[in-house]
This record gives sequence, C-alpha cells and structure tokens, in this order.
Amino acid sequence: IAGITQAPTSQILAAGRRMTLRCTQDMRHNAMYWYRQDLGLGLRLIHYSNTAGTTGKGEVPDGYSVSRANTDDFPLTLASAVPSQTSVYFCASSDSGPGANVLTFGAGSRLTVL
Amino acid sequence: GQNIDQPTEMTATEGAIVQINCTYQTSGFNGLFWYQQHAGEAPTFLSYNVLDGLEEKGRFSSFLSRSKGYSYLLLKELQMKDSASYLCAGMDSNYQLIWGAGTKLIIKP
Repeated sequence: IAGITQAPTSQILAAGRRMTLRCTQDMRHNAMYWYRQDLGLGLRLIHYSNTAGTTGKGEVPDGYSVSRANTDDFPLTLASAVPSQTSVYFCASSDSGPGANVLTFGAGSRLTVL
Repeated sequence: GQNIDQPTEMTATEGAIVQINCTYQTSGFNGLFWYQQHAGEAPTFLSYNVLDGLEEKGRFSSFLSRSKGYSYLLLKELQMKDSASYLCAGMDSNYQLIWGAGTKLIIKP
C-alpha cells in the first residue's frame, strides 16, 4: 500500500537522550516535511526537503536536524531531547512544484520527553 | 504576521448541515486547503481553493473569498463518522502552509 511509514509509533525517553524518528515513503514524492502538532496550536513545520540531497529549516527548527540521503527516507533527529519537544510528530510528502501541493501524512509518532 | 483563525469546537446533529469558518492572513496567497483529522490519526486532504467561489465534492463543499480573506467548509447530511477535527491552511507566496489550530466537530445522534 503506497504511503508513508513512521517509526516508532510512540516513545518515552529521558531528557538529554538522542532520538531519531524514521520516515519512509514509497510514492516517489520529491518533497518531504516534518511537522509537530501540539494541543491548541496549528501544525508547525520543523524541517523540509524539496528533493533528495537538500534540506531547509521551517518555523521551529531549533533542537532538530534532518537528512535526505535518498528520495524515500527523511529521518528527524533530536540531538538532546528536552521536555518541550514532547509532541506528536508527523512526516508528510508531496509532489514537487508549486501550486496545489497536497500533502500525504504518515500516521504520526507520539514522543514524550521526561 | 501570518495567521489562520477558526473556531475551536463546534457541535452538530447527525443528518444536519454545518459550516466551519476560517479567516486567513498570509503574505501573498497561493490557495486555501482543508484537511480532516480523526482523533489519533493523520490529517487527510479534503479540498483546495485558489479562486473565489464554491467547490463541491459530494457531501463536502468549500468556499473561498480572497477579498475577504475568508473560507468555509460546508458539510451536509452529517454522519457520525464526520466527527473529527477540520484543519484550515493557507499557502503563502513562498508556497509555505500556514495552519490553523483546527476545529473539533462533535456530531450528536
């Protein structure tokens, strides 16, 4: 089934630990995105990649890093987790080009930092 | 600054019609999106408007007025499965999406 796979589904980790959230898509979409969703707030863009080999910063990039070694994978790394990074993280992808960039989202990764 | 406003929560009755409003302020404008998100699940695309007017897709319709910075999502013949959050997002001149916090729609029998 075409789509986006995120892992883990849920994770609890101690503050200061390093964590990588994985995201893989099989739709051959050029653009990929990482969002965080917090209660009472809209989705906020963390990082994005318009094509393999390139990445860019979104609205809330501090404390996060990404890489895009190939078209399919777009991992998000928290180098040293802090409690404010407790959130639900969504990976998304879209066809390249401006205009109606409809996003396809993964199922989300719920992260709790204690 | 850029901003999307939509009501936090709405309640409607099964079989009825509900309109969810969204006002937007973006730097430039390249369209307005609506997504549906069931609790604990991923958002899924519902509609995209870039020109003024009404776009109809089955029980769901979306309206845009660019001069007023206003959109609404109209849901007809409400079903219990329509209970979800509805996210409004405006696309700015850099093709970046600005998201509202979502409207939680509660459907009662």
